[in-house]
Amino acid sequence: EDKVVQSPLSLVVHEGDTVTLNCSYEVTNFRSLLWYKQEKKAPTFLFMLTSSGIEKKSGRLSSILDKKELFSILNITATQTGDSAIYLCAGKVSGTYKYIFGTGTRLKVLA
Amino acid sequence: EAGVVQSPRYKIIEKKQPVAFWCNPISGHNTLYWYLQNLGQGPELLIRYENEEAVDDSQLPKDRFSAERLKGVDSTLKIQPAELGDSAVYLCASSLGQFPYEQYFGPGTRLTVT
Repeated sequence: EDKVVQSPLSLVVHEGDTVTLNCSYEVTNFRSLLWYKQEKKAPTFLFMLTSSGIEKKSGRLSSILDKKELFSILNITATQTGDSAIYLCAGKVSGTYKYIFGTGTRLKVLA
Repeated sequence: EAGVVQSPRYKIIEKKQPVAFWCNPISGHNTLYWYLQNLGQGPELLIRYENEEAVDDSQLPKDRFSAERLKGVDSTLKIQPAELGDSAVYLCASSLGQFPYEQYFGPGTRLTVT
């Protein structure tokens, strides 16, 4: 059965800290991994990773994929209170538009 | 560009009542998804459409849930009759049928069944 597991389930840090969120996957015919940020509304897209070892960056956020070890990490440096959200990762099945979501990591950044 | 539109945003009903949710995807997106998200959980796929065809409905509880996307654009998800355990957020998402494939989510409908 396809599954995506995220850790930790929740995390509380202080502003300025750096955090690393983990996502491991077992997805049949894996094609790509996506990261989303979900605040009070719908998930918003952050990154899509298809190739191993290539880091994607957007401001203070960065992510990398390891297709050999079947995991991805999302790093957030110099965290701010606005980073408080649930971070979801999802594995995409090749040849389909099917995504398997993890349960998310709830991040809370304290001022 | 308008995003994915969902309505209503919130719905409170009594158990055994019917309820319907509506979704209008981003223009040109041929793939539409309905997800259920329970508190503290990731979205779980209920049904996926490619144009007007339901191509993956294996997680849809067909005894009480139904969905349609008659013209391959907007879609309706219905529950009849609703049960207490159906309380959740129902998310609609859409994507292009080509790279980069990412989904765009609507704001969701928060359903409370009392």
